Amino acid sequence: DQQVKQNSPSLSVQEGRISILNCDYTNSMFDYFLWYKKYPAEGPTFLISISSIKDKNEDGRFTVFLNKSAKHLSLHIVPSQPGDSAVYFCAASGDNFNKFYFGSGTKLNVKP
Amino acid sequence: KAGVTQTPRYLIKTRGQQVTLSCSPISGHRSVSWYQQTPGQGLQFLFEYFSETQRNKGNFPGRFSGRQFSNSRSEMNVSTLELGDSALYLCASSYDNSGNTIYFGEGSWLTVV
Repeated sequence: DQQVKQNSPSLSVQEGRISILNCDYTNSMFDYFLWYKKYPAEGPTFLISISSIKDKNEDGRFTVFLNKSAKHLSLHIVPSQPGDSAVYFCAASGDNFNKFYFGSGTKLNVKP
Repeated sequence: KAGVTQTPRYLIKTRGQQVTLSCSPISGHRSVSWYQQTPGQGLQFLFEYFSETQRNKGNFPGRFSGRQFSNSRSEMNVSTLELGDSALYLCASSYDNSGNTIYFGEGSWLTVV
């Protein structure tokens, strides 16, 4: 069962513009969410997190928004840079034992 | 400080063999979890260990097992390898097991032929 979904397999954005990556989840018990960036042949790199007590978290160029009623979160990257080109995964957890459910990823291409 | 270290990075095994993968967590982290990444299934949770105890397990057959040592280092084992076990196996560590951020290693690429 796919409890976390990233419905856009790919996204192309011009350098300097905003990239918006979306993620939907079905389990209302999820209360902690993570975003990762992954290059080929490397492990995922942690970008930013958000807990369900917040609806927004910022870290530099990265902002994550959480809409609990819609069971939706999004990652905004502003401004986008060519080095941001990678696959982005969202992940969600609802228990206390670090079991995370991952989306299938969105491949972001930032064009110079 | 050093990140999560996984060994070996690449390995090729034959069907029916068994394999052991190793993971050293970030210093001070006591929770270690394992994930399998395949093109078709994405990242899937295998199991999680904290203080040498398996606290959570994903939907994988019993051929997949793991353990954690007193120094928090972890190993996972896959016995009777099948072609479908070819994947990137990722280890992640976290300070504790209360739903904190998990940090991944580079992964071990396993090819079963």
